[in-house]
This record gives sequence, C-alpha cells and structure tokens, in this order.
Amino acid sequence: QKEVEQNSGPLSVPEGAIASLNCTYSDRGSQSFFWYRQYSGKSPELIMFIYSNGDKEDGRFTAQLNKASQYVSLLIRDSQPSDSATYLCAVYGLQPPFGNEKLTFGTGTRLTIIP
Amino acid sequence: KAGVTQTPRYLIKTRGQQVTLSCSPISGHRSVSWYQQTPGQGLQFLFEYFSETQRNKGNFPGRFSGRQFSNSRSEMNVSTLELGDSALYLCASSWAGKKGQYFGPGTRLTVL
Repeated sequence: QKEVEQNSGPLSVPEGAIASLNCTYSDRGSQSFFWYRQYSGKSPELIMFIYSNGDKEDGRFTAQLNKASQYVSLLIRDSQPSDSATYLCAVYGLQPPFGNEKLTFGTGTRLTIIP
Repeated sequence: KAGVTQTPRYLIKTRGQQVTLSCSPISGHRSVSWYQQTPGQGLQFLFEYFSETQRNKGNFPGRFSGRQFSNSRSEMNVSTLELGDSALYLCASSWAGKKGQYFGPGTRLTVL
C-alpha cells in the first residue's frame, strides 16, 4: 500500500463548478497535511495546510481532514482555467529508522478546467 | 522575502560524471530538503538537513549525498551519473517542517 494515494486523473471540471480532489494516507499517526499545486514545467507551490479534523477555508479553496478515515480532500469552488494544474497531497509521517518526520507526497491529480 | 533559489537551473552531463547542485533557502529557514521528480516516480525524497546535520534520508544509493552550511545553504552531489538520474531536482526549505515546505524552481539535470 502506498503511503499517500491520489487518483492520478485527469479530472475534468467545467469552469465555475466545484473541483474535488481526494487523498488517503496510511500512517495513522500523521499530524500535518498539505496541498501543493504544480503547473506544468514549474515547481510545486504550497496552497493549503491543515492539522485538525474538519474544514479549513482560504478563498476559493477548502481543505477537509478526516483522521479517523485517513482522508484529506481539497475543494476548489468557482473553478477557473488558471486552476488547471497537478495537485499534490503531502503528509508528514514518521520515517523509520530515524524517527523524524518527513513529508511524503502523493503522485498528484491532474486537474483540467474546461472553459 | 526572497524565495528559495537553486543553481544552476539546467545541466547536461554525460554518464560517469559527477554533479553538484546548490540551494539557498528562504531567509530564516533552517531546514532544507531535496527531492527528485520524474514523470514515472513523482516526487521522491532524497534527504533533509537541519542545522548542518542530515536529519532524514530517503531510499537512494550512496552516489547521492548532500551537505548544509552554517548559513543554511545546501548542496547535493551525485557521483558516477547514470542515465536514470535525469530528472528535476527540487530543493525545499522550511522554518519548522510542520508548517510546510517551500520549493525552489528546481534544477533540470539531463544525463546523456
């Protein structure tokens, strides 16, 4: 089982609709969860982080966390063509044998917003 | 505040050569992590340095090494390059990892 799993897509969403991106993780002890956006040919950009169960909103973006289900999601409201990118889910978990946390990335979901 | 910078941005090397990549973190960030990104494998963690000490290491061969200087700048070195080392190498810095890492623009390495 992969540590962080995402549907690779592509996910196509009409402009103005809600895009929903999902991520599951295997380390039940994980405490910190991040969403990155990566445009083609560019490096990942941090757009959201969440630590507690529930929802966290920032503009058109909402991150949702359910630790019991080991599930993180990102909702993008009023999707715009500029939202077309690959979205990476990242989770902080313990890295044996060091015992220190490291950030593990999913393989990303490619999102296309259709005008 | 200036972002993470990486040099060089592009490199072309031949098999068997070695390469050194450089990363300057955001001012005040003491943690620097390195990643390899390829289309097939996604983002793979190489190692993390904090206060000049390697704090974490991924599953890469010993040909991949790194270090961090007292000013938090970091370098990574790849010796005896192989064709499969062709990738985008990304550096990311953070103040205290749990608050997220911020990526530089990357170094595109091509091994011929």
